[in-house]
Amino acid sequence: GAGVSQTPSNKVTEKGKYVELRCDPISGHTALYWYRQSLGQGPEFLIYFQGTGAADDSGLPNDRFFAVRPEGSVSTLKIQRTERGDSAVYLCASSLAGLHTDTQYFGPGTRLTVL
Amino acid sequence: KNQVEQSPQSLIILEGKNCTLQCNYTVSPFSNLRWYKQDTGRGPVSLTIMTFSENTKSNGRYTATLDADTKQSSLHITASQLSDSASYICVVSRTYGQNFVFGPGTRLSVLP
Repeated sequence: GAGVSQTPSNKVTEKGKYVELRCDPISGHTALYWYRQSLGQGPEFLIYFQGTGAADDSGLPNDRFFAVRPEGSVSTLKIQRTERGDSAVYLCASSLAGLHTDTQYFGPGTRLTVL
Repeated sequence: KNQVEQSPQSLIILEGKNCTLQCNYTVSPFSNLRWYKQDTGRGPVSLTIMTFSENTKSNGRYTATLDADTKQSSLHITASQLSDSASYICVVSRTYGQNFVFGPGTRLSVLP
């Protein structure tokens, strides 16, 4: 596609529920990143994929968060037993090769609200 | 601790005026520094990327500077336009891994 897309754009769920957030990166980009952005703050790194593998997952806050990229393109961020503190905008970005100087292209984000 | 600080937190200027946003970081080991523009409700858009050896980079009316010795960067916007109203985020990446440290952003409002 022309850019990074994320679905859904908004997700409202109840505390304790399971949610999945989807990211479609730019075609041909091997690197994919997930970030979380709270209101009024800069994005916070969660996880980075190079191809199908998670090359750096040091930003995942706890084991309730998990992400996959089984075919090296689309990625899904999964959150189990959601808590109110998980409410944020979840941003996805992709870059061509994941080099340190590659430009990252961001999607519009998914706004998650946990009631 | 790896941190990125930005100032001011918010800024209001009149259309046509120039402004400078500041970024200080303690991230180590340093790989590169990026400035992003983020419109409300949208994902960030890359403006500039600078490595250790670069001390200035321009992108149209945006000019970024980097002083790796003092660990400071600035983003200068020339002849501001209404469309420049957005948050500007400074991001520093470390040499190893893909761990990017984002600053909190500066919220710029350009008024007619």
